[in-house]
Amino acid sequence: QQQVKQSPQSLIVQKGGISIINCAYENTAFDYFPWYQQFPGKGPALLIAIRPDVSEKKEGRFTISFNKSAKQFSLHIMDSQPGDSATYFCAASQNTGFQKLVFGTGTRLLVSP
Amino acid sequence: GAVVSQHPSRVICKSGTSVKIECRSLDFQATTMFWYRQFPKQSLMLMATSNEGSKATYEQGVEKDKFLINHASLTLSTLTVTSAHPEDSSFYICSACRQGANTGELFFGEGSRLTVL
Repeated sequence: QQQVKQSPQSLIVQKGGISIINCAYENTAFDYFPWYQQFPGKGPALLIAIRPDVSEKKEGRFTISFNKSAKQFSLHIMDSQPGDSATYFCAASQNTGFQKLVFGTGTRLLVSP
Repeated sequence: GAVVSQHPSRVICKSGTSVKIECRSLDFQATTMFWYRQFPKQSLMLMATSNEGSKATYEQGVEKDKFLINHASLTLSTLTVTSAHPEDSSFYICSACRQGANTGELFFGEGSRLTVL
């Protein structure tokens, strides 16, 4: 029940296209859903995050869509660029005060020029 | 944004030696820090939660005597891999929670790649 399932495992998108990564969870106590971007040999960096009280959040080219009833959330990268090529992790946590994140398995995104 | 620094970024050691990795929050105080381990092309696996001034809480399956964690101040946590073996080779990443921040506002370090020969 603590798992966060992420798909696809890898994704190739042409420059200018839309990249879509999906995650699903089981634990209804989760109330914070961040997405992290990780480049090779670097630590993850917070990209965008959402809480269950909204169904969508947009920051620049990045949008999170959240479906509480389906227990699913997704990341959309509009106008994908080669510089977006990285591994993306979704995550989830409960408001326990310890911010203990459960990570998805990751999606390796390659944006072709 | 907040900065978390890890040192060293890369370390190579001989089997049987101990290696210490430092995690510092540079511009904020962190009562809680987390240590993760990441194998190539895999996700982050939480090893332990480090609490300032108290014992760390280890995840199931993580040997606390093997991976010693010390959180002696509000800006520093250390992970010591004792008697390292080749199977301990991995990418170790820390994260820190800004004191008083909302749930989930974690800031990650750049990671430390350990290679045990």
